[in-house]
Amino acid sequence: GAVVSQHPSWVICKSGTSVKIECRSLDFQATTMFWYRQFPKQSLMLMATSNEGSKATYEQGVEKDKFLINHASLTLSTLTVTSAHPEDSSFYICSARVFGTSYTGELFFGEGSRLTVL
Amino acid sequence: AQTVTQSQPEMSVQEAETVTLSCTYDTSENNYYLFWYKQPPSRQMILVIRQEAYKQQNATENRFSVNFQKAAKSFSLKISDSQLGDTAMYFCAFMKHGGGNTPLVFGKGTRLSVIA
Repeated sequence: GAVVSQHPSWVICKSGTSVKIECRSLDFQATTMFWYRQFPKQSLMLMATSNEGSKATYEQGVEKDKFLINHASLTLSTLTVTSAHPEDSSFYICSARVFGTSYTGELFFGEGSRLTVL
Repeated sequence: AQTVTQSQPEMSVQEAETVTLSCTYDTSENNYYLFWYKQPPSRQMILVIRQEAYKQQNATENRFSVNFQKAAKSFSLKISDSQLGDTAMYFCAFMKHGGGNTPLVFGKGTRLSVIA
């Protein structure tokens, strides 16, 4: 099946610094990637939809200047948490849909990245 | 906007027994897809089963099957012969038919514990 890889899996940073999380589709091209955030023991909340070569579409309430998303190629999307604060601590998950199979709807997920801001 | 409701925050089942997880959704769409994803302690999301709304036949994948009731907007997951490895969070998800840019909307999840 399609494989999505996230890096890093766990990152600890100081308040005020920026952290970049990478999401790669390893064996397929992904014109669209989705970034979700998951709080402990809660559901996945969509943050933004990332399209290759264009600006990301953010969900209501998500600060686009804080959560910078770049989708520069068909296999890589990045999420940068800028000026991180403790309330940004969370589990971030990316997902992608195999190009040309939108009719199945299935999303493939990365392993997730746990961010802890001290 | 679509919403997905999972009314059972936690459930437990004895090994080898059968358990059913509930999911209801609200939508005005006629064409859509429904999914059950599993999230084990590793946090990796894994697709369990998928149902297309225009198909009346319930989807089945080995020990996993669904009861899809379109009129009632209900999509329950049945796990037969439960195994210890089935212990995980289970999320029901909805996707309207709209192409590659359409995200999945998730329910709050049901934590399933399989007891030996």
